Amino acid sequence: GQQVMQIPQYQHVQEGEDFTTYCNSSTTLSNIQWYKQRPGGHPVFLIQLVKSGEVKKQKRLTFQFGEAKKNSSLHITATQTTDVGTYFCALGSWGKFQFGAGTQVVVTP
Amino acid sequence: DTGVSQDPRHKITKRGQNVTFRCDPISEHNRLYWYRQTLGQGPEFLTYFQNEAQLEKSRLLSDRFSAERPKGSFSTLEIQRTEQGDSAMYLCASSPGLGVDGQETQYFGPGTRLLVL
Repeated sequence: GQQVMQIPQYQHVQEGEDFTTYCNSSTTLSNIQWYKQRPGGHPVFLIQLVKSGEVKKQKRLTFQFGEAKKNSSLHITATQTTDVGTYFCALGSWGKFQFGAGTQVVVTP
Repeated sequence: DTGVSQDPRHKITKRGQNVTFRCDPISEHNRLYWYRQTLGQGPEFLTYFQNEAQLEKSRLLSDRFSAERPKGSFSTLEIQRTEQGDSAMYLCASSPGLGVDGQETQYFGPGTRLLVL
């Protein structure tokens, strides 16, 4: 079956810095979703990418789908303390979603 | 609050006991999902309903787990003869299905945290 790897597992960021987290698959994906889970909270949908090479922006967050549709990235600029949490990518297929293990982000003021 | 609700929020039980969790999805959402999440991991898919029909079930789900959505609204997840390895957060999510752009947005509930002693 499809496997999804997220790197890095942990990310310590100084407030104001940029960082990128990656989601890689061994197979071509039809789509990919990103979620954010705050500490003690539940996953919250951020975005879905469908097209090869697609780039979507949400304020300081930039999401990209690879040309081969096998990987995706989330780039956050000027990190703020509100960005703390775990970011998951998820592969969706016919009602069955497979989540990666997530990138846990810690922001140092 | 019109979001997804789950009950109870916490459950402590002894090994071998049965437990049942309830999920109330967002009104008119026809899709409902159950996931299990352990510390440091992403949500693990358990099962999926389209209205009252259970369309997908993870092969990781043992026979001790059963889920129902009898009227296509709320759903229950029952675990029989609980084991310590069942300790986890059980998340429910609902969605209105695929949008015109082919996107499906899942809305997660707060989860039920189960501890099996």
